[in-house]
Amino acid sequence: DGGITQSPKYLFRKEGQNVTLSCEQNLNHDAMYWYRQDPGQGLRLIYYSQIVNDFQKGDIAEGYSVSREKKESFPLTVTSAQKNPTAFYLCASSTRGVTEAFFGQGTRLTVV
Amino acid sequence: AQKVTQAQTEISVVEKEDVTLDCVYETRDTTYYLFWYKQPPSGELVFLIRRNSFDEQNEISGRYSWNFQKSTSSFNFTITASQVVDSAVYFCALSEEHNQGGKLIFGQGTELSVKP
Repeated sequence: DGGITQSPKYLFRKEGQNVTLSCEQNLNHDAMYWYRQDPGQGLRLIYYSQIVNDFQKGDIAEGYSVSREKKESFPLTVTSAQKNPTAFYLCASSTRGVTEAFFGQGTRLTVV
Repeated sequence: AQKVTQAQTEISVVEKEDVTLDCVYETRDTTYYLFWYKQPPSGELVFLIRRNSFDEQNEISGRYSWNFQKSTSSFNFTITASQVVDSAVYFCALSEEHNQGGKLIFGQGTELSVKP
């Protein structure tokens, strides 16, 4: 099946630890995105990548880092510098041009 | 500045009722794109529709219809004869990027609950 896989679905970490969220797509899409969703709020863009080995900051990049070494993979690291990391994280991908984005099922991160 | 506002946080209806979800947007661009996504309890966002700023034709897809009015900067979504399976959070989103359909500005979302 073609789609976007995010893992794990639930993640618990202690405060001060870095954690990496996985996102893999087999849709052959060039662009990939990371969004954060907080309760009662819309999604906010963290980072995006249009091509391998290139990525740009979104609206709330502070405390996060990404890499894009392969077309199909776009992992997100939540660092200890992120003040309030507990949230629902969604990964998406799209082809070039203005087409719709396809989303993964998300990772719910809880930092205790 | 770009912004999308969905003023209705939660809506509750009884099955078979019609329901309209409001979306108002702000942008300085003359070329832009509007989207609606559905987020069921499973969490992923499901694409419903994309509309570009030059196409003000309303669209109907089964029980779903969309009304785009540039004069009021609105892109409202109506579900006719709602069903329990329509229960979800619905997001309206705006893109000003011509090459990146996934770079979106989202509204806060409207949680729709359809009761039997």
